[in-house]
Amino acid sequence: QKEVEQNSGPLSVPEGAIASLNCTYSDRGSQSFFWYRQYSGKSPELIMSIYSNGDKEDGRFTAQLNKASQYVSLLIRDSQPSDSATYLCAPRLYSGGGADGLTFGKGTHLIIQP
Amino acid sequence: SAVISQKPSRDICQRGTSLTIQCQVDSQVTMMFWYRQQPGQSLTLIATANQGSEATYESGFVIDKFPISRPNLTFSTLTVSNMSPEDSSIYLCSVGQRTGELFFGEGSRLTVL
Repeated sequence: QKEVEQNSGPLSVPEGAIASLNCTYSDRGSQSFFWYRQYSGKSPELIMSIYSNGDKEDGRFTAQLNKASQYVSLLIRDSQPSDSATYLCAPRLYSGGGADGLTFGKGTHLIIQP
Repeated sequence: SAVISQKPSRDICQRGTSLTIQCQVDSQVTMMFWYRQQPGQSLTLIATANQGSEATYESGFVIDKFPISRPNLTFSTLTVSNMSPEDSSIYLCSVGQRTGELFFGEGSRLTVL
């Protein structure tokens, strides 16, 4: 049984600060990891993909992966009110050969306070 | 990424009826999936829509309740059969990239009375 654990929050962060979102997963075979952002009433949108241990930066977003600890995180620097959303973590078992249906965590509700 | 269109965007249905949701993609895609998002919950995979063959269902979902069609590489339908209030959810079509990323349609919000 694949399990993905996230703190549901809400996580409240002042504007301009760093928001740190965490995710643990049970399947040691997971190779790729995805972070999605979902605004209320909207569908999820992909914001970060990470495939190897270490950090991956894209603008204000940094994804961090530690496969040994089965842990992946998302850092949002200089948080803006527009970052207020639910963030979903989704590990993927296979690293190639086409897409598989992803298992999503319950999501962390992030609130950026002006 | 592909443009994914779903119809209807929302509907209100009576208990015991069935509703078919359509998903149209603007380019050919190999992998299409259907997800359900119940109120206040995360996404749950219903099935993989296989082109030219029967869909592959996840545990807890059966073909009689959620029949899926995939006649070609750009189109799929999900039917929610014999609906009950517990089926009130958002149903999402998604397409997959070879690198594993999924992209989602806007969703179909279903309310069953």
